[in-house]
Amino acid sequence: EAGVVQSPRYKIIEKKQPVAFWCNPISGHNTLYWYLQNLGQGPELLIRYENEEAVDDSQLPKDRFSAERLKGVDSTLKIQPAELGDSAVYLCASSRSGTANTEAFFGQGTRLTVV
Amino acid sequence: AQSVTQLDSQVPVFEEAPVELRCNYSSSVSVYLFWYVQYPNQGLQLLLKYLSGSTLVESINGFEAEFNKSQTSFHLRKPSVHISDTAEYFCAVKEGGSEKLVFGKGTKLTVNP
Repeated sequence: EAGVVQSPRYKIIEKKQPVAFWCNPISGHNTLYWYLQNLGQGPELLIRYENEEAVDDSQLPKDRFSAERLKGVDSTLKIQPAELGDSAVYLCASSRSGTANTEAFFGQGTRLTVV
Repeated sequence: AQSVTQLDSQVPVFEEAPVELRCNYSSSVSVYLFWYVQYPNQGLQLLLKYLSGSTLVESINGFEAEFNKSQTSFHLRKPSVHISDTAEYFCAVKEGGSEKLVFGKGTKLTVNP
């Protein structure tokens, strides 16, 4: 079974440019998470999807961040425009919904550097 | 809102020494608890989890954690660490009935020869 796939692994962009990250969850996993991980910190939730519905986006900075999961499978997270402080690792995770006692599986993450 | 506190940001130990990484959570309802490990430049991997039943749970590589409801803790222990255990460890909690997964800030374990 393939794991959670994220791309790209690394991205370097200039500030004020747009950037997008892609995530393909494990087949059959309805719940999809996007987390932000700053250096030396724990993951912080940006947005959580149940199928195609964003059920928790309270921590997503909506002035510059957006996300979509149109068909309830893969998802894209976008930043426009990027700022220096957005440099971090963006993690995607998925789990089976309906049973809260299941673990989330994580992708390798996308390391973003804004210069 | 639920939160997770990992009291030690860094824990240096010598090889073959015992180690305990502390985790406390704040929740008044039933919870599911997880420990994840992150090796350098890699994603998070599940180490072990508490869902229900026995309060002591074990991983395949010798770690164990004990759920203590009265102290709202889920400390991670290993009686004898290896160099290869050097990594960052994250405690996480889900409240019963919710898919929201909240992480602590992590503890960096460094095992020295």
